[in-house]
Amino acid sequence: EVQLVESGGGLVQPGGSLRLSCAASEFTFSDYSINWVRQAPGKGLEWVSYISSSDNFIYYADSVKGRFTISRDNAKNSLFLQMNSLRPEDTAVYYCARGIGYCRGGGACYGPTRFDYWGQGTLVTVSS
Amino acid sequence: DIQMTQSPSSLSASVGDRVTITCRASQRINSNLNWYQQKPGKAPELLIYAASSVQSGVPSRFSGSGSGTDFTLTISSLQPEDFATYFCQQSYNTPLTFGGGTKVEIK
Repeated sequence: EVQLVESGGGLVQPGGSLRLSCAASEFTFSDYSINWVRQAPGKGLEWVSYISSSDNFIYYADSVKGRFTISRDNAKNSLFLQMNSLRPEDTAVYYCARGIGYCRGGGACYGPTRFDYWGQGTLVTVSS
Repeated sequence: DIQMTQSPSSLSASVGDRVTITCRASQRINSNLNWYQQKPGKAPELLIYAASSVQSGVPSRFSGSGSGTDFTLTISSLQPEDFATYFCQQSYNTPLTFGGGTKVEIK
């Protein structure tokens, strides 16, 4: 069974940094794009970032651009999200989600793109 | 950015009811529309992709339709395990935006 397990969440002060990890297993990690999606308490889903299978295409939501960096290590079946300059509005459960399909230059997506497996999420709380 | 608008934001229904949820995109997205179900405290699960393709393992009472800007998720006969929140998501281009969600509650 495909598994995605997030870790690294916690309480951080505004302006601080945190690095999330997502460990993948039971599928060929290097064949798939992966995304981060977050959900503020009691709110809806917000896509955060996308990384293609070989990390040559990366996209971010405007709300995190310039502050968050997505990366992956295909040799270790791992995905990361480096979050800097954190704000209270970044408080959310962060999910990693496997992507079917792909997004290319200019952000157009094909496949059709969808998120077929999700991790259980890790809570990030930004508060003083 | 493409804005996704779901309606209603919540509904009350009984077991056995036919339930319809709509999703409208702010621009044409062809059939690049997915539906997810989320239960409290759990991660979302993919139900429908490409507007009308049912994800493997999803019961046949779930169906999707639409193209362009207007889409529909239908549950033909609501079951107790279907009480949850449903989200649409466009996969036409980045940012990959979601609708605000529809909470299906027990009447």
